[in-house]
Amino acid sequence: DTGVSQDPRHKITKRGQNVTFRCDPISEHNRLYWYRQTLGQGPEFLTYFQNEAQLEKSRLLSDRFSAERPKGSFSTLEIQRTEQGDSAMYLCASSRQGATDTQYFGPGTRLTVL
Amino acid sequence: AQKITQTQPGMFVQEKEAVTLDCTYDTSDPSYGLFWYKQPSSGEMIFLIYQGSYDQQNATEGRYSLNFQKARKSANLVISASQLGDSAMYFCAMREGPGVQGAQKLVFGQGTRLTINP
Repeated sequence: DTGVSQDPRHKITKRGQNVTFRCDPISEHNRLYWYRQTLGQGPEFLTYFQNEAQLEKSRLLSDRFSAERPKGSFSTLEIQRTEQGDSAMYLCASSRQGATDTQYFGPGTRLTVL
Repeated sequence: AQKITQTQPGMFVQEKEAVTLDCTYDTSDPSYGLFWYKQPSSGEMIFLIYQGSYDQQNATEGRYSLNFQKARKSANLVISASQLGDSAMYFCAMREGPGVQGAQKLVFGQGTRLTINP
């Protein structure tokens, strides 16, 4: 049983550069979520998709952030013109539509902006 | 607005003892789901247990059980016979609404760092 995978696991970039992260959900899951976690805090919701439709975006998701899920499979999260405040762990989760709708998380991508 | 409160920043427990991690929540939605996740130092969030607001019985999964007190809006995680490998951050989270109606975000608490001493 293949879980949620994320790539890369670690990313170090310089301020002002663009970065893109990828998430591959569990194959039968139609829902996909992105969260951001800073040190010592719980994850904070960024956005989610049901199939290919992006249904909600958090106010945390500034116009420098964009997420896509073409064809309802993998998803990408792009951050343009990175800032030091973007340094965090970016977590992806997926779930299957149902009563519990349990979200299963990937290993995360740790972003460091220098 | 939904809110999750975990009041214990850190807990220290002797191996083989039982431990209770506290979680209180606030929501105006009569239908919601409560989740507990474990986050080891590696960073991955591991799902432990789920409790639905309409579930009549407390959820159990192996050594994990959820003490659900709806009137008090609490959903405490109980770990029986703790092991060294239980040392990690533990997060309580809530989802408003039933999952069948549409994808819903999770709102997380601040977490509790559990340390199991040998």
